[in-house]
Amino acid sequence: SAVISQKPSRDICQRGTSLTIQCQVDSQVTMMFWYRQQPGQSLTLIATANQGSEATYESGFVIDKFPISRPNLTFSTLTVSNMSPEDSSIYLCSVGGGQGAMNEQFFGPGTRLTVL
Amino acid sequence: AQSVAQPEDQVNVAEGNPLTVKCTYSVSGNPYLFWYVQYPNRGLQFLLKYITGDNLVKGSYGFEAEFNKSQTSFHLKKPSALVSDSALYFCAVRPNTGGFKTIFGAGTRLFVKA
Repeated sequence: SAVISQKPSRDICQRGTSLTIQCQVDSQVTMMFWYRQQPGQSLTLIATANQGSEATYESGFVIDKFPISRPNLTFSTLTVSNMSPEDSSIYLCSVGGGQGAMNEQFFGPGTRLTVL
Repeated sequence: AQSVAQPEDQVNVAEGNPLTVKCTYSVSGNPYLFWYVQYPNRGLQFLLKYITGDNLVKGSYGFEAEFNKSQTSFHLKKPSALVSDSALYFCAVRPNTGGFKTIFGAGTRLFVKA
């Protein structure tokens, strides 16, 4: 298993500003995932972050809005840029339990973002 | 389009009674199937998964799930519910195409009454 921490746990931000969320894993992992969980809704994958390469974004998400860094095998950041109230959500960091696609994922506790 | 359906937004059961949380999917091939639980203010925790083999899989906290290929369903079950089982449950399906893209259901909130 993997233990994942996220900072901050929650934040209230003003429209037009940016917030960077940090994700730290207690072991080295190849792939890290960033999800958004909007109020009352399911998880939506924003992007997959591999160390040493550009993140891969899902349809509807772009790098200018959600830039991601992956400087090493235990750490990643997601920035929510030029925020609007529609960005209010829980942002979750996740890693795979192993190299194979049959493995489960482990999730951080989430960052609850409110944009005013 | 690939999808995962959890037809019940909420399930209410009395403590000690059996519980079922339903999940059906529309994904081609033989996908990998997962259940996760989310307690308040916490991230998702893995409960169990089906990869292949026996249709009944057992997981954490006494939960089990039954895979039915013909009905493309993967229902979560527990013989005797506890108040502490009250949480949000997500079914997730990952196509067996080699990637990690996972499709999550909308979630079912389980309330167990004492």
